[in-house]
Amino acid sequence: GAVVSQHPSRVICKSGTSVKIECRSLDFQATTMFWYRQFPKQSLMLMATSNEGSKATYEQGVEKDKFLINHASLTLSTLTVTSAHPEDSSFYICSAYTIPGQGDYEQYFGPGTRLTVT
Amino acid sequence: AQSVTQPDIHITVSEGASLELRCNYSYGATPYLFWYVQSPGQGLQLLLKYFSGDTLVQGIKGFEAEFKRSQSSFNLRKPSVHWSDAAEYFCAVGGSGGYQKVTFGTGTKLQVIP
Repeated sequence: GAVVSQHPSRVICKSGTSVKIECRSLDFQATTMFWYRQFPKQSLMLMATSNEGSKATYEQGVEKDKFLINHASLTLSTLTVTSAHPEDSSFYICSAYTIPGQGDYEQYFGPGTRLTVT
Repeated sequence: AQSVTQPDIHITVSEGASLELRCNYSYGATPYLFWYVQSPGQGLQLLLKYFSGDTLVQGIKGFEAEFKRSQSSFNLRKPSVHWSDAAEYFCAVGGSGGYQKVTFGTGTKLQVIP
């Protein structure tokens, strides 16, 4: 199946700093990627839809100025947590859809990035 | 709005015993239904999915799920559980066509005892 990678897998940053998380589709192109956030022992909450070449679409309640999403190419989307605070500590997971006609048309998930803000 | 309910937060089964994880969904049209498994600190792996056709869906690792429209359910089953099946299981629902958002249930944590 298709592979989605995330980098870094774990990151610790100080409060007030920014951190960037990369999501890459390794062997397929993805015009649409999703960013999820998962709190401990809870489900995945969709944060935003990342569209290549256009602005991301944020879910209600997600601060777009805090969680900056850039989908600059068909294989890379980045999530930047700006001015991070301890409450931003979470497990962030991205996913990417294959393009119809390129193998299975389904959503593939990255392995996640554990963000800890101290 | 679409939603998913997984009524069992935590389930414990003995190795070799059968397993059924419950999932009920709410969706206005014909849903796309998914079951994912997540090991600790890992991303999600697709076990199986239902789009249309045969309501009994076979997945990887010996799992199957049955779509019952009348009950709005999509329960996951496995006839004999292995210790390596211990993980968190998420049921999800999405729409057809295009890059539809998927809504996840709260998950069921499966513990397997010897």
